[in-house]
Formats: sequence, C-alpha cells, structure tokens
Amino acid sequence: DTEVTQTPKHLVMGMTNKKSLKCEQHMGHRAMYWYKQKAKKPPELMFVYSYEKLSINESVPSRFSPECPNSSLLNLHLHALQPEDSALYLCASSQDSAFPEQFFGPGTRLTVL
Amino acid sequence: QKEVEQDPGPLSVPEGAIVSLNCTYSNSAFQYFMWYRQYSRKGPELLMYTYSSGNKEDGRFTAQVDKSSKYISLFIRDSQPSDSATYLCAMKNGQNFVFGPGTRLSVLP
Repeated sequence: DTEVTQTPKHLVMGMTNKKSLKCEQHMGHRAMYWYKQKAKKPPELMFVYSYEKLSINESVPSRFSPECPNSSLLNLHLHALQPEDSALYLCASSQDSAFPEQFFGPGTRLTVL
Repeated sequence: QKEVEQDPGPLSVPEGAIVSLNCTYSNSAFQYFMWYRQYSRKGPELLMYTYSSGNKEDGRFTAQVDKSSKYISLFIRDSQPSDSATYLCAMKNGQNFVFGPGTRLSVLP
C-alpha cells in the first residue's frame, strides 16, 4: 500500500466553526507533513511530525493545531479560521524526515466563508 | 532572491516534443533534488529524485543536476498529452523542504 489518504475531500466551514482534517498512511513511514497550497502556488510546509513528535512548526497561526495520535495518523484541527485560509491542504509522509521521497495525499479543499 | 526559482511557463508543446524544465537555487546546502508532477486538483506525485550532480534517467524522464551552477533540469522525451500538468522542482537539506513555484506544461495532440 503506497497510498496516503485524506478526508474529507472538500470542506466548507464558517469562521466560528471547529473542524478537523484527517490523514492516514500504512507504509510504515515515521515522518508526516502538513502543507498548504493556494491556487497556482507551490505547496508551503506547515508542520513536520517525526516519530510522532512535532519537529517543525513553520510559524503557523494557532488557529491550526496539528495532532499525531499514532505513527499512521495525522490530524489538523481548525478553529476560527479566516477566509484567506481557504486552500488545498495536503498531507505527505516519508520513511523518516531525512528521506527525500515524500508521498502526498490528494488533499482536502477547504473553503472558509 | 528566492531560495528556488523555476522557469515560470506556461509552456505549450506539440505531442512528441522534447520538453526541458529548469530550476535554479541559491542555497548550496541543498542535498536532494526532486521533481514532482501535479495534475489539477490533485496532490503532487514524485517523479524522480537525485542526490549528486549528473544525470538520472527513468523511462522518458531524465533529471539533471549541476551543483556547481546550482541548476537542475527535467527532460521529458516523446511528450504525451497525459504529461500535461504542473511540474514542481523541490529541494531538501535536513528537514528544510522547499518547492519551486512550478511550471505549467500543456502537450497538445
């Protein structure tokens, strides 16, 4: 299984809502990542989890809260988002954070009203 | 100066053409050089990665790295309409992972 899955595919939320994005991989990878991608722009790294510990937080606002319950799962909790947070949120995994091969999921397209 | 720059495109070529996609970078600490393909509304898909200067071939794709010039290229031979996508170079050192801005390629039948 070389797949990274993400749910939901699409999410529309208001600025007062709380929602969560989920990511799962069963490749035995020990590093997982969240990226944000705006239209016609490259993905921007948000968070890196290595061996279930947060190792990089690229100065992301606290309204985004990552969680890694176990080595296969990665969540991104969303609260009080702004319309400018509307984007494609991509999850990726790699064997560990030193490895260059990152496998990406299909993304969750988030719209904040 | 941005850390990674990429020929902006968009690029349109006829089917069967050889395509050359290029990136330059400023950080000499980058150790790994990747090429990703991203179809519209999908996640990026890793095509190839290289570690050292030189060429690496995989089917119709050849990745080339010149560390002395801080320049990398991806060549696509016998391009097909199914190659139409955005191509992103990416570079890594340690946990620092940076994408180039991407080049949108259209291969016309």
